[in-house]
Amino acid sequence: SQQGEEDPQALSIQEGENATMNCSYKTSINNLQWYRQNSGRGLVHLILIRSNEREKHSGRLRVTLDTSKKSSSLLITASRAADTASYFCATRPWGYSTLTFGKGTMLLVSP
Amino acid sequence: EPEVTQTPSHQVTQMGQEVILRCVPISNHLYFYWYRQILGQKVEFLVSFYNNEISEKSEIFDDQFSVERPDGSNFTLKIRSTKLEDSAMYFCASSEPSSDTQYFGPGTRLTVL
Repeated sequence: SQQGEEDPQALSIQEGENATMNCSYKTSINNLQWYRQNSGRGLVHLILIRSNEREKHSGRLRVTLDTSKKSSSLLITASRAADTASYFCATRPWGYSTLTFGKGTMLLVSP
Repeated sequence: EPEVTQTPSHQVTQMGQEVILRCVPISNHLYFYWYRQILGQKVEFLVSFYNNEISEKSEIFDDQFSVERPDGSNFTLKIRSTKLEDSAMYFCASSEPSSDTQYFGPGTRLTVL
Protein backbone atom coordinates (compact mmCIF):
# COMPACT_ATOMS: atom_id res chain seq x y z
CA SER A 1 0.00 0.00 0.00
CA GLN A 2 1.09 3.59 -0.50
CA GLN A 3 1.94 6.17 2.12
CA GLY A 4 -1.13 7.24 4.03
CA GLU A 5 -3.68 4.59 3.16
CA GLU A 6 -6.96 4.78 5.00
CA ASP A 7 -9.44 2.05 5.65
CA PRO A 8 -12.22 1.47 5.31
CA GLN A 9 -12.76 3.27 2.02
CA ALA A 10 -16.34 3.93 3.00
CA LEU A 11 -18.19 3.76 6.30
CA SER A 12 -21.90 4.12 6.89
CA ILE A 13 -23.28 4.51 10.41
CA GLN A 14 -26.24 5.91 12.31
CA GLU A 15 -26.21 9.13 14.28
CA GLY A 16 -24.96 8.59 17.79
CA GLU A 17 -22.67 5.71 16.85
CA ASN A 18 -18.90 5.93 16.89
CA ALA A 19 -16.86 5.95 13.70
CA THR A 20 -13.35 4.59 13.51
CA MET A 21 -11.05 5.15 10.57
CA ASN A 22 -7.56 3.77 10.19
CA CYS A 23 -4.50 4.97 8.37
CA SER A 24 -1.29 3.13 7.55
CA TYR A 25 1.91 4.59 6.25
CA LYS A 26 5.34 3.38 5.19
CA THR A 27 8.09 5.86 5.96
CA SER A 28 9.28 7.46 9.16
CA ILE A 29 7.23 10.52 10.01
CA ASN A 30 7.50 13.72 12.02
CA ASN A 31 3.77 13.96 12.48
CA LEU A 32 0.45 12.73 11.16
CA GLN A 33 -2.58 14.91 10.57
CA TRP A 34 -6.22 14.24 9.89
CA TYR A 35 -8.29 16.39 7.58
CA ARG A 36 -11.96 16.47 6.66
CA GLN A 37 -13.33 17.32 3.26
CA ASN A 38 -16.97 17.95 2.56
CA SER A 39 -18.02 17.05 -0.96
CA GLY A 40 -16.29 19.28 -3.47
CA ARG A 41 -14.96 21.60 -0.80
CA GLY A 42 -11.62 22.41 0.80
CA LEU A 43 -9.70 20.47 3.42
CA VAL A 44 -10.31 21.30 7.04
CA HIS A 45 -7.58 20.47 9.53
CA LEU A 46 -8.87 18.36 12.41
CA ILE A 47 -5.98 17.23 14.54
CA LEU A 48 -2.22 16.69 14.50
CA ILE A 49 -0.33 14.03 16.39
CA ARG A 50 3.45 14.00 16.61
CA SER A 51 5.64 10.94 16.32
CA ASN A 52 6.43 11.00 20.04
CA GLU A 53 2.75 11.07 21.00
CA ARG A 54 0.50 8.03 21.28
CA GLU A 55 -2.92 9.55 21.74
CA LYS A 56 -4.59 12.91 21.38
CA HIS A 57 -8.09 14.22 21.95
CA SER A 58 -9.98 17.16 20.56
CA GLY A 59 -13.66 17.40 21.40
CA ARG A 60 -15.33 14.28 19.97
CA LEU A 61 -12.16 13.28 18.15
CA ARG A 62 -9.60 10.81 19.43
CA VAL A 63 -6.48 10.02 17.47
CA THR A 64 -3.97 7.31 18.20
CA LEU A 65 -0.59 6.74 16.67
CA ASP A 66 1.46 3.56 16.73
CA THR A 67 4.81 4.27 15.13
CA SER A 68 5.95 0.67 15.50
CA LYS A 69 3.07 -0.45 13.31
CA LYS A 70 3.11 2.74 11.25
CA SER A 71 -0.57 3.22 11.77
CA SER A 72 -3.03 5.72 13.16
CA SER A 73 -6.71 5.71 13.94
CA LEU A 74 -9.29 8.45 14.11
CA LEU A 75 -12.31 7.90 16.32
CA ILE A 76 -15.32 10.19 16.12
CA THR A 77 -17.61 9.62 19.06
CA ALA A 78 -21.35 10.23 19.10
CA SER A 79 -21.41 10.97 15.40
CA ARG A 80 -23.78 13.50 13.85
CA ALA A 81 -25.18 13.84 10.36
CA ALA A 82 -22.93 16.90 9.96
CA ASP A 83 -19.90 14.62 10.32
CA THR A 84 -20.68 13.20 6.89
CA ALA A 85 -17.56 13.90 4.83
CA SER A 86 -14.36 12.33 3.56
CA TYR A 87 -11.57 11.98 6.07
CA PHE A 88 -7.92 11.93 5.09
CA CYS A 89 -4.77 11.22 6.97
CA ALA A 90 -1.66 13.08 5.90
CA THR A 91 1.86 12.33 6.94
CA ARG A 92 4.76 14.70 7.20
CA PRO A 93 8.15 13.01 6.89
CA TRP A 94 11.19 14.15 8.82
CA GLY A 95 13.07 16.93 7.10
CA TYR A 96 10.25 17.94 4.80
CA SER A 97 7.36 20.33 5.13
CA THR A 98 5.15 18.56 2.62
CA LEU A 99 2.16 16.39 3.40
CA THR A 100 1.42 13.04 1.79
CA PHE A 101 -2.27 12.25 1.77
CA GLY A 102 -4.11 8.98 1.69
CA LYS A 103 -7.13 8.22 -0.47
CA GLY A 104 -9.50 8.90 2.35
CA THR A 105 -12.47 7.31 4.05
CA MET A 106 -15.94 8.44 3.04
CA LEU A 107 -18.10 8.61 6.14
CA LEU A 108 -21.86 8.71 5.87
CA VAL A 109 -23.80 9.39 9.05
CA SER A 110 -27.53 8.82 8.69
CA PRO A 111 -30.02 10.61 10.94
CA GLU B 1 -11.04 33.62 11.87
CA PRO B 2 -8.43 34.18 9.16
CA GLU B 3 -8.62 31.83 6.20
CA VAL B 4 -6.91 31.06 2.94
CA THR B 5 -8.82 32.31 -0.07
CA GLN B 6 -8.55 31.21 -3.68
CA THR B 7 -9.76 32.63 -6.95
CA PRO B 8 -11.39 31.74 -9.19
CA SER B 9 -13.50 28.96 -7.71
CA HIS B 10 -13.84 27.39 -11.15
CA GLN B 11 -11.72 27.92 -14.24
CA VAL B 12 -12.47 26.42 -17.64
CA THR B 13 -9.78 26.62 -20.27
CA GLN B 14 -8.81 25.16 -23.61
CA MET B 15 -5.93 22.75 -23.89
CA GLY B 16 -2.69 24.60 -24.55
CA GLN B 17 -3.80 27.79 -22.84
CA GLU B 18 -2.07 29.35 -19.87
CA VAL B 19 -3.88 29.63 -16.56
CA ILE B 20 -3.04 31.44 -13.37
CA LEU B 21 -4.60 30.32 -10.13
CA ARG B 22 -4.55 32.79 -7.31
CA CYS B 23 -4.34 32.38 -3.57
CA VAL B 24 -4.24 34.74 -0.64
CA PRO B 25 -2.62 32.92 2.28
CA ILE B 26 -3.26 33.80 5.90
CA SER B 27 -1.46 37.07 6.55
CA ASN B 28 1.17 36.06 9.11
CA HIS B 29 2.01 32.76 7.44
CA LEU B 30 5.35 32.34 5.74
CA TYR B 31 5.11 28.88 4.18
CA PHE B 32 2.93 28.37 1.13
CA TYR B 33 1.92 25.26 -0.74
CA TRP B 34 0.03 24.06 -3.77
CA TYR B 35 -1.64 20.68 -3.91
CA ARG B 36 -3.97 19.16 -6.45
CA GLN B 37 -6.67 16.53 -6.35
CA ILE B 38 -7.78 14.83 -9.52
CA LEU B 39 -11.41 13.77 -9.25
CA GLY B 40 -11.72 10.68 -7.09
CA GLN B 41 -8.03 10.51 -6.31
CA LYS B 42 -5.64 11.51 -3.54
CA VAL B 43 -4.58 15.02 -2.74
CA GLU B 44 -1.09 15.34 -4.21
CA PHE B 45 1.65 17.76 -3.24
CA LEU B 46 2.94 20.04 -5.98
CA VAL B 47 5.23 22.64 -4.48
CA SER B 48 6.17 24.50 -1.32
CA PHE B 49 7.45 28.04 -1.16
CA TYR B 50 9.31 29.93 1.52
CA ASN B 51 11.34 33.09 1.59
CA ASN B 52 10.53 33.87 -2.03
CA GLU B 53 11.78 30.62 -3.41
CA ILE B 54 10.68 27.06 -3.98
CA SER B 55 11.72 24.87 -1.07
CA GLU B 56 10.34 21.55 -2.29
CA LYS B 57 8.58 20.28 -5.37
CA SER B 58 7.17 17.00 -6.56
CA GLU B 59 7.63 15.16 -9.83
CA ILE B 60 4.31 16.58 -10.98
CA PHE B 61 5.68 20.11 -10.77
CA ASP B 62 7.50 20.15 -14.11
CA ASP B 63 8.57 23.02 -16.34
CA GLN B 64 4.96 23.76 -17.23
CA PHE B 65 4.32 24.92 -13.68
CA SER B 66 5.60 27.97 -11.88
CA VAL B 67 4.79 29.80 -8.68
CA GLU B 68 5.15 33.39 -7.71
CA ARG B 69 4.50 35.71 -4.84
CA PRO B 70 4.07 38.91 -6.82
CA ASP B 71 3.26 41.07 -3.81
CA GLY B 72 2.89 40.78 -0.08
CA SER B 73 -0.40 38.97 -0.17
CA ASN B 74 -0.90 36.88 -3.30
CA PHE B 75 0.58 33.50 -4.15
CA THR B 76 0.01 32.24 -7.67
CA LEU B 77 0.33 28.99 -9.58
CA LYS B 78 0.80 29.26 -13.32
CA ILE B 79 0.36 26.44 -15.77
CA ARG B 80 1.90 27.54 -19.06
CA SER B 81 0.29 25.16 -21.52
CA THR B 82 -2.55 23.21 -19.98
CA LYS B 83 -3.15 19.57 -20.77
CA LEU B 84 -6.32 17.56 -20.35
CA GLU B 85 -4.74 15.73 -17.42
CA ASP B 86 -4.25 19.02 -15.56
CA SER B 87 -7.98 19.01 -14.86
CA ALA B 88 -8.22 18.83 -11.09
CA MET B 89 -9.03 20.74 -7.94
CA TYR B 90 -6.05 22.87 -6.96
CA PHE B 91 -5.61 23.72 -3.31
CA CYS B 92 -3.44 26.40 -1.83
CA ALA B 93 -2.29 26.06 1.76
CA SER B 94 -0.24 28.10 4.18
CA SER B 95 1.36 27.62 7.56
CA GLU B 96 3.08 29.57 10.27
CA PRO B 97 6.82 29.22 10.80
CA SER B 98 6.34 27.61 14.18
CA SER B 99 3.51 25.26 13.25
CA ASP B 100 3.11 22.07 11.26
CA THR B 101 -0.56 22.70 10.63
CA GLN B 102 -1.35 23.64 7.05
CA TYR B 103 -4.49 25.63 6.42
CA PHE B 104 -6.13 24.94 3.09
CA GLY B 105 -8.15 27.17 0.85
CA PRO B 106 -11.46 26.10 -0.71
CA GLY B 107 -9.76 25.18 -3.97
CA THR B 108 -10.00 26.12 -7.63
CA ARG B 109 -11.58 23.57 -9.91
CA LEU B 110 -9.67 23.62 -13.20
CA THR B 111 -11.32 22.06 -16.21
CA VAL B 112 -9.23 21.70 -19.35
CA LEU B 113 -11.22 21.03 -22.51
